Amino acid sequence: GNSVTQMEGPVTLSEEAFLTINCTYTATGYPSLFWYVQYPGEGLQLLLKATKADDKGSNKGFEATYRKETTSFHLEKGSVQVSDSAVYFCVVRRNTGKLIFGQGTTLQVKP
Amino acid sequence: DTGVSQNPRHKITKRGQNVTFRCDPISEHNRLYWYRQTLGQGPEFLTYFQNEAQLEKSRLLSDRFSAERPKGSFSTLEIQRTEQGDSAMYLCASSLIRGESNQPQHFGDGTRLSIL
Repeated sequence: GNSVTQMEGPVTLSEEAFLTINCTYTATGYPSLFWYVQYPGEGLQLLLKATKADDKGSNKGFEATYRKETTSFHLEKGSVQVSDSAVYFCVVRRNTGKLIFGQGTTLQVKP
Repeated sequence: DTGVSQNPRHKITKRGQNVTFRCDPISEHNRLYWYRQTLGQGPEFLTYFQNEAQLEKSRLLSDRFSAERPKGSFSTLEIQRTEQGDSAMYLCASSLIRGESNQPQHFGDGTRLSIL
């Protein structure tokens, strides 16, 4: 079946540091891949997406590239801000539209 | 676009009671999904509707759980004879599927259920 594995958190960085959150998945076929973010006290929001191999999703300075050969979708940002502190979820979408979530990675950015 | 709305935001009830949650999706969205999220975990799929038809149910959805979307608009999720293990955040999401176009899901803020 489909599954998603993310690096465990919490990840604690200083402001302006480089961020990588690793994500690998198992899936049949060619699923779409997403990163969702949950800021403190708020609901889940779509951060970025990629729908086919080698696509790069980007938003708010975050990027992730759909790597079919390594079944990975790592999230990166060149310079994090305190306001990026949140829980980040790597997500696989099956053909039915059902989403399979990773366990989430908490990011804490200190000034 | 007023977003996905869920009510109530919080529900506290005694074990054995029945509870019902409501989800109002984004108005033109034809797909509606229910997920459950426990502390420190990612959301887990429960069920989904396309218009009024319930197309898939997870094995997580025991016979104590029932969901409806009678007119293809809002949906309700009912849990009968609640148990301690039902304590979780229940999330609703909606999306628009049109032909080959499969838009991302938009989530509500959830209903937090606490079983005493």
